[in-house]
Amino acid sequence: QLQLQESGPGLVKPSETLSLTCTVYGASVSTITYYWGWIRQPPGKGLEWIGSMSYSGSTHDNPSLTSRVTLSIDTSKNQFSLRLSSVTAADTAVYYCARRVATTLGNWFDPWGQGTLVTVSS
Amino acid sequence: DIQMTQSPSSVSASVGDRVIITCRASQGISSWLAWYQQKPGKAPKLLIYAASSLQSGVPSRFSGSGSGTDFTLTISSLQPEDFASYYCQQANSFPLTFGGGTKVEIK
Repeated sequence: QLQLQESGPGLVKPSETLSLTCTVYGASVSTITYYWGWIRQPPGKGLEWIGSMSYSGSTHDNPSLTSRVTLSIDTSKNQFSLRLSSVTAADTAVYYCARRVATTLGNWFDPWGQGTLVTVSS
Repeated sequence: DIQMTQSPSSVSASVGDRVIITCRASQGISSWLAWYQQKPGKAPKLLIYAASSLQSGVPSRFSGSGSGTDFTLTISSLQPEDFASYYCQQANSFPLTFGGGTKVEIK
């Protein structure tokens, strides 16, 4: 059964870089047909897609965040990662990792990790 | 970007009620739409993909319909475990975008 689990600091200072890792269980991140992504949710608000990538190198990210987002995959640890630079209080959110299913019928997310709250504060 | 607008933003209903949530896309997205359920403190869970296909393991009281710009999620007979927030997501083009959510509350 495919499961994902986020990890990383829960507190980041303004202007610094947020770094999160998602460990994948039950599947290989190097499977070319799989895409791995990040979505965030500010407290009490809706969902915002951050970006996703595949082992083949296909990458998509949200233009509103592109200049600050770096996505990567570590096959040796079966993990994928998110780095978000120059964070502000507006980046405070629960960050979810998820598999993006990409078919001729569209793109959706299943399953999701449990989520991790990242607070940006000095 | 394709904007997704959900209505209502919240609805109060009783167990056994039929609940309908709508989602409108700012431009046509064919049937490229997904629905998610999110309970407090939990991650979203995929319910419906391709507008009307039920994800494995999801109860049949959930159904989706629509194409183009207008979509609906219907819960035919609301159960206690269905009180949650629901989000639509357009699956047509990048950036992938979500609706603002609909909270289904106990009446």
